[in-house]
Amino acid sequence: SYVLTQPPAVSVAPGQTATITCGGNHIGSKRVHWYQQKPGQAPILVIYYDKDRPSGIPERFSGSNSGNTATLTISRVEVGDEADYHCQLWDTTTDQPVFGGGTKLTVL
Amino acid sequence: DVQLVESGGGLVQPGGSLRLSCAASGFTFPGYWLSWVRQTPGKGLQWVATINQDGRQTYYLDSLKGRFTISRDNAESSLYLQMSNLRVDDTAVYYCARGNDYGFNYYFALWGRGTPVSVSS
Repeated sequence: SYVLTQPPAVSVAPGQTATITCGGNHIGSKRVHWYQQKPGQAPILVIYYDKDRPSGIPERFSGSNSGNTATLTISRVEVGDEADYHCQLWDTTTDQPVFGGGTKLTVL
Repeated sequence: DVQLVESGGGLVQPGGSLRLSCAASGFTFPGYWLSWVRQTPGKGLQWVATINQDGRQTYYLDSLKGRFTISRDNAESSLYLQMSNLRVDDTAVYYCARGNDYGFNYYFALWGRGTPVSVSS
């Protein structure tokens, strides 16, 4: 099955830019989606189709996807952005959705 | 409000059964594909199962086939997950999620807050 690799943790200071990666073989040929999950809360879709934002998601959240890496970028990071972030795509081998292991974003 | 609310989780012994429910509100329930996704303690998310709008198409994580059954009641705006012969490694928080068209572009646009399932003797 398709493996998605995320760094376990990323730290950033408030106001700086956070970059969270999601690695996979030729991931640039797939459509990647990103979810934010705060403790005890429902996950929230923050990016779909590599770079599109659902309504209500701040423009500070952006996405890109090329080669073997998809990236979620959070500009002007706020304390409220502290959460786990998960990438997800469709595995064409198994015809099933798959998730990365998640990245814990800490805002120092 | 547009929301999904799960219920039915709890403590069960290995080999036991449990039925999870998900109540939907604020949107046209029969119009959407729906899924269950689980998250084991301290780990990532794992897709479990998906059902289409009329309930006639169902898809499962291969390792769960035969033990888990997804179903829905459009009249009640409810989604269900019947779990049987439960194992310790089924312990997780189970989320109900609303998706778009199942396939290459599939993503989960709306999630519930989850219901915890603990399988232990």
